[in-house]
Amino acid sequence: NAGVTQTPKFQVLKTGQSMTLQCAQDMNHNSMYWYRQDPGMGLRLIYYSASEGTTDKGEVPNGYNVSRLNKREFSLRLESAAPSQTSVYFCASRGLAAPSTDTQYFGPGTRLTVL
Amino acid sequence: ILNVEQSPQSLHVQEGDSTNFTCSFPSSNFYALHWYRWETAKSPEALFVMTLNGDEKKKGRISATLNTKEGYSYLYIKGSQPEDSATYLCAFLGNQFYFGTGTSLTVIP
Repeated sequence: NAGVTQTPKFQVLKTGQSMTLQCAQDMNHNSMYWYRQDPGMGLRLIYYSASEGTTDKGEVPNGYNVSRLNKREFSLRLESAAPSQTSVYFCASRGLAAPSTDTQYFGPGTRLTVL
Repeated sequence: ILNVEQSPQSLHVQEGDSTNFTCSFPSSNFYALHWYRWETAKSPEALFVMTLNGDEKKKGRISATLNTKEGYSYLYIKGSQPEDSATYLCAFLGNQFYFGTGTSLTVIP
């Protein structure tokens, strides 16, 4: 039981390049989330998927797109990376959509640097 | 954008001391308040999920209380140990999750 996995662990991009961050969970959770973590800012929600087939914008969605490929997988795409997107990205999953008493389970994070 | 505030930002205590910190959040559109423990170079791990006004949760030496009417939650650590050193995050769940910036706790042996 791997929980929440993310690939890659590290990535360096040049401004304007594109890439997709992958996330998968094996806990049969309905909801999945993408966050970014910046110094002094805490975790900020980029996009979430309350259930398979749905996605919604979070607090900071600009410059990102997401795909809920199936119940297990939720990917985050940067179409044209900018230095402001340098951050650590965390994926999380949860059993049910709000309201719920289920907690979130986080992946190990992807450290992205955009030059 | 919704404001979730945690105080203090950082805290240094001696081993054996008890300590507490605060999470403040809006009192409207409240569904739940989550607490997480986040060690350096790891991922956040869940401590508590609290939903009802007056809720108290306990896990070992760590406990938390919730006041949804005035919009705050306290996290208490009794008899702090060096392994308690971490950042403690709270997250408000309304229509989506909003995290505070965390309280960084260092327990000095």
